[in-house]
This record gives sequence, structure tokens and C-alpha cells, in this order.
Amino acid sequence: QKEVEQDPGPLSVPEGAIVSLNCTYSNSAFQYFMWYRQYSRKGPELLMYTYSSGNKEDGRFTAQVDKSSKYISLFIRDSQPSDSATYLCAMSQAGNQGGKLIFGQGTELSVKP
Amino acid sequence: DAGVIQSPRHEVTEMGQEVTLRCKPISGHNSLFWYRQTMMRGLELLIYFNNNVPIDDSGMPEDRFSAKMPNASFSTLKIQPSEPRDSAVYFCASSLQSSTGELFFGEGSRLTVL
Repeated sequence: QKEVEQDPGPLSVPEGAIVSLNCTYSNSAFQYFMWYRQYSRKGPELLMYTYSSGNKEDGRFTAQVDKSSKYISLFIRDSQPSDSATYLCAMSQAGNQGGKLIFGQGTELSVKP
Repeated sequence: DAGVIQSPRHEVTEMGQEVTLRCKPISGHNSLFWYRQTMMRGLELLIYFNNNVPIDDSGMPEDRFSAKMPNASFSTLKIQPSEPRDSAVYFCASSLQSSTGELFFGEGSRLTVL
């Protein structure tokens, strides 16, 4: 079993829809939770960052972490065609493992005009 | 800032040949990571360095793979001999060691082994 599980999709939604992306994980030592966005033929770039449990909002994006359930989510409101990309969840431990990110497989999202 | 620079961007080679991928991290970053991305397995960590020292190479698939970081501004990932199953996009990323997850990725090196 992989440490981080993510449905690869693809996911196709109409413009303006609310998008929900999710990951589950098995390692209870993970403390830092991130979402990266990757456009086609580009490297991933950090989108959202959350420490431990709770919610974080940035514009149209909301990240949620539920450590008790080992489950994280990314919500995109009022989705736009420019949001079409692959979204990867990533996690890391604290301490001397800090910075070593374990990624989910990525969910390919397509927002249709 | 130029960001993380990788070369070559594309490489096509024949099975059995040696492949060397290169990476220049962001100046001032002291952690460097090599990842491999495929459709089947996603983004996998191969090896990472802190202050030019390899910390964890447990993701290196086998002895055909080796990585070096001779100084703070340069790293190589070498595959010798290459095999068709090594075909993938190889990403280099860098970060501040004190940070907790913000990796800055290069644009990747797309390797095809025939």
C-alpha cells in the first residue's frame, strides 16, 4: 500500500463548478500537508500549504486537513479553464525528515468553458 | 531568480547507453531532491541531499542509478546502463533545509530509452 493515495481521475467539470480533490494517507507522522499544481510539461508548483489539522483559505482555494481520519482535501470554487492542470497532494514529517515530500499520484482536472 | 535549471530538457537514447542528467538548484537553497514521474507510479523521490550530503537514497531503483552533488550549485543523476523502463520525466527540486515542504521544481528532463 502506498503511503499517500490519490484518485488519478481524470476529472472534468464545467466552468464555475466547485471542485473537490482528496487524498488519504497512512503515516501518522506526517505533519505538513501541501497541494501542488502541475501544468502540462511543467514542474509542480506549490499551491497551498497547511501545518497539522485545520483549514486554510486562499482566494478560490481552500485546503482542509483531518489528521484523525488521515484525509486531506482541496476545494476550488468558481473553477476556471485556467485551473485545468494536475493537482498533487504532498506530505512530509517534521524533524530530520523535514523537506522530504511524499506525493500522491495526482488528479488530472479539466475545466470546460 | 532563474529558478532550478535542468538539462537536457529532452533525451532520447538507446538501451545500454549512459545517461547523465544535470541540475542547478536555486542559489542559497541547501536541499536538493531528484524525483521521477511516470503515468503509472506518479512522482517518486529517488534521492535527496542536505548541504551536498546524500541523506536518503532509498528510492534509487537499483545500482544502475547514481547521484552526486559535488558542490552547492550542481548535481547529477546518472543511469548506466539505461533500460527502456527508465523512460520517465526526471525532476530536480531544491529548498531551504529549514523549510517544511516548499520545493521549487525545475522543468524536468524527459528521458526516452529505446
